[in-house]
Amino acid sequence: ETGVTQSPTHLIKTRGQQVTLRCSSQSGHNTVSWYQQALGQGPQFIFQYYREEENGRGNFPPRFSGLQFPNYSSELNVNALELDDSALYLCASEQGGTDTQYFGPGTRLTVL
Amino acid sequence: QKEVEQDPGPLSVPEGAIVSLNCTYSNSAFQYFMWYRQYSRKGPELLMYTYSSGNKEDGRFTAQVDKSSKYISLFIRDSQPSDSATYLCAMTRTGANNLFFGTGTRLTVIP
Repeated sequence: ETGVTQSPTHLIKTRGQQVTLRCSSQSGHNTVSWYQQALGQGPQFIFQYYREEENGRGNFPPRFSGLQFPNYSSELNVNALELDDSALYLCASEQGGTDTQYFGPGTRLTVL
Repeated sequence: QKEVEQDPGPLSVPEGAIVSLNCTYSNSAFQYFMWYRQYSRKGPELLMYTYSSGNKEDGRFTAQVDKSSKYISLFIRDSQPSDSATYLCAMTRTGANNLFFGTGTRLTVIP
């Protein structure tokens, strides 16, 4: 076990709705990254937070946003859901500068 | 062209076989190379981490990096049914925030 937890495990939403996914990082890991993994694909980087500030972003639109909290937890928010947002959403925590990311089990989002 | 290419398989081998999994990449700045194992409906689990070129061995697993060819490999000796999973290669460079993943190779080890 990596010590990284995510909730909920599964989620079903309809197009146009908003969703919030949550992650709890390993204690002491001040960096959290979020990835989207479509079926049959590798994870794609959404963004990273370091000490509660966004620290890099992949090729995702602004309707994907995030927050990181002092207690090592974080959130991924997605507005105006689209069908293509259906995927496994993974968070990964890292002790800053180590390049070693530990992944949680993911939240599977289905958009109908 | 994707920065990291990986044959998606699927790959089926008998128990006890040697498995070879490979990735190629295009960005010569990549220096840190990882292999993750992902079981169905689970998050990726870090298996091997290698810096720059060379080999690294951990039990039945050996990771190889050939930076001159932009090619990395993972070898699994004496494969077991419990090795059945999707194997993802990942890599990054100094100063990058994220990992760059291959598509993953789905491996089945048949008892």
